[in-house]
Amino acid sequence: GEDVEQSLFLSVREGDSSVINCTYTDSSSTYLYWYKQEPGAGLQLLTYIFSNMDMKQDQRLTVLLNKKDKHLSLRIADTQTGDSAIYFCAEMTTDSWGKLQFGAGTQVVVTP
Amino acid sequence: DVKVTQSSRYLVKRTGEKVFLECVQDMDHENMFWYRQDPGLGLRLIYFSYDVKMKEKGDIPEGYSVSREKKERFSLILESASTNQTSMYLCASSLIGKAAFFGQGTRLTVV
Repeated sequence: GEDVEQSLFLSVREGDSSVINCTYTDSSSTYLYWYKQEPGAGLQLLTYIFSNMDMKQDQRLTVLLNKKDKHLSLRIADTQTGDSAIYFCAEMTTDSWGKLQFGAGTQVVVTP
Repeated sequence: DVKVTQSSRYLVKRTGEKVFLECVQDMDHENMFWYRQDPGLGLRLIYFSYDVKMKEKGDIPEGYSVSREKKERFSLILESASTNQTSMYLCASSLIGKAAFFGQGTRLTVV
């Protein structure tokens, strides 16, 4: 079955770059997503990448996809205190009717 | 903007009560989902629906049921609440094959 794994915690200094990593197992993934969850809130879609792409850049966010290793990463440039949140990666597979399989989430703490 | 609205932010219920969590979306999405979020476990799918009156079990359907009588509304029902159902519940909706948009969540405490 599908399995999505992330490290649970990342501490980064304000102004540095953050890199959040994710691995997945299902080779039939169509889209891979990054969501952000601030305390007490729902999930906000940050960005996504189609499975036939290697990279996608959106302002401070860069998504890298290594299909051979089934590895996905999210880089946040110039990390700010407002970037402190839990970040979830999720995969959608071709036979899933649009269901998403989520990782456990990475808690990012930005220190001054 | 897509709006997914959950009827309550916080709920406290007693063991054995029947609990209804309501979710409404305003973007005519076919798919609607109920997830449960627990620390260290991420989001786990309880049920989803791809059309009115259609429902499919997710990964953890035991102890839950759902209702989708109208396209915009998807209800999660706890038939007899138990303390192990204390959790954050998240509703989402999507077009088929597209990204899901989430509500703000309902934090349910069963005492």
